[in-house]
Amino acid sequence: DIQMTQSPSSLSASVGDRVTITCRASQTISSYLNWYQHEPGKAPRLLIYAASSLQSGVPSKFSGSGSGTDFTLTISSLQPEDFATYYCQQTYSPPYTFGQGTNLEIK
Amino acid sequence: QVQLVESGGGVVQPGRSLKLSCSVSGFTFTSYGMHWVRQAPGKGLEWVAVISFDGKNTYSTDSVKGRFTISRDNSKNTLFLQMNSLRPEDTAVYYCAKSLGRVEMATIGHWGQGTLVTVSS
Repeated sequence: DIQMTQSPSSLSASVGDRVTITCRASQTISSYLNWYQHEPGKAPRLLIYAASSLQSGVPSKFSGSGSGTDFTLTISSLQPEDFATYYCQQTYSPPYTFGQGTNLEIK
Repeated sequence: QVQLVESGGGVVQPGRSLKLSCSVSGFTFTSYGMHWVRQAPGKGLEWVAVISFDGKNTYSTDSVKGRFTISRDNSKNTLFLQMNSLRPEDTAVYYCAKSLGRVEMATIGHWGQGTLVTVSS
């Protein structure tokens, strides 16, 4: 199985900050990488698919990059609604494993 | 709009069975792959299983193979997860989810609100 490792596991930031979350795959996955946002008590939300494609309706302050084994999610100009947990997921081959999550907290 | 509504969760004893259902609306169910994803208390998301649009292809994570079965009834717009030989570590919120695209079924585009399964004696 492909292991996905996110860093950091938790991150404190202020409103208006720009943050970057990293995801590394245990083997090459080309661009088969998605990013999700998950707020407590809510359904997760797809942000980025295929490493860098913005899902419809998602603000352009979210961006993704990378290919092969190393990927990043960048969120610019943080707003209160952005403080949540973020997950990467590989869809290169089943099982479609998630990273352990990055908890983005308000500083 | 897309709606996914899970049901069937509850408290069950270890070793027993439970069947989850997911009733969908707002899209052509017969054209999309469907997933189950779970989240144990205080833990991250764990992908469980996927089924193709026609039910002919399924994949699941190793920890549930031989115990859980994903299936669908396209005539009733409903997705299922049959869970047998349940273990305490299966305790989680189970999410039903829809593939983003019609051809590529791996990416999840929409999620339900989840149903809680608690395995405890």
